[in-house]
Amino acid sequence: GAGVSQSPRYKVAKRGQDVALRCDPISGHVSLFWYQQALGQGPEFLTYFQNEAQLDKSGLPSDRFFAERPEGSVSTLKIQRTQQEDSAVYLCASNKRPEPNQPQHFGDGTRLSIL
Amino acid sequence: ILNVEQSPQSLHVQEGDSTNFTCSFPSSNFYALHWYRWETAKSPEALFVMTLNGDEKKKGRISATLNTKEGYSYLYIKGSQPEDSATYLCALDTGRRALTFGSGTRLQVQP
Repeated sequence: GAGVSQSPRYKVAKRGQDVALRCDPISGHVSLFWYQQALGQGPEFLTYFQNEAQLDKSGLPSDRFFAERPEGSVSTLKIQRTQQEDSAVYLCASNKRPEPNQPQHFGDGTRLSIL
Repeated sequence: ILNVEQSPQSLHVQEGDSTNFTCSFPSSNFYALHWYRWETAKSPEALFVMTLNGDEKKKGRISATLNTKEGYSYLYIKGSQPEDSATYLCALDTGRRALTFGSGTRLQVQP
């Protein structure tokens, strides 16, 4: 497709369940980013891939969060044993080259609600 | 902790008014400054990426300026329209490629 695609758009899970969020970046984009946006705040960085290599995972809040991009295209963000504080919008972004003047192209996000 | 601050937090203007918002950041950490517009139920849309001190960029009625020495950027909207209603986010790239976002300025333009 033309843009970054994320699925599902909405996810409701019970506390303690595992969830998996998918991101399909723009074709040919080398860099892929995951951000978490809590209500009333700006997006916060979680992790960054260059092709299939996870170069920065410093923003992952706990070892319950895991991300992968095995073939350098589609990425999955997995959250194990979800907690209520994991409720947020999860945004995925990609860009063509890992250079500072490149804008990031965002998907619509997945809104995760943990009950 | 890197602090990117935006003001005001929210703004209500009438159609036709011109408006501006501020983004401030630590000048010692600068690599690039991004501006995004985020409309409800849509994805954030890139407006500008600015890298040079004194940079000025324009896209239609929207323009932005950058001062890296004092650590601020201004976003201007001339003759606001209802379709400009959105949250405007600025974000700092410190060279890590990951962006550090401010909390945004929520703009509401009344017809």
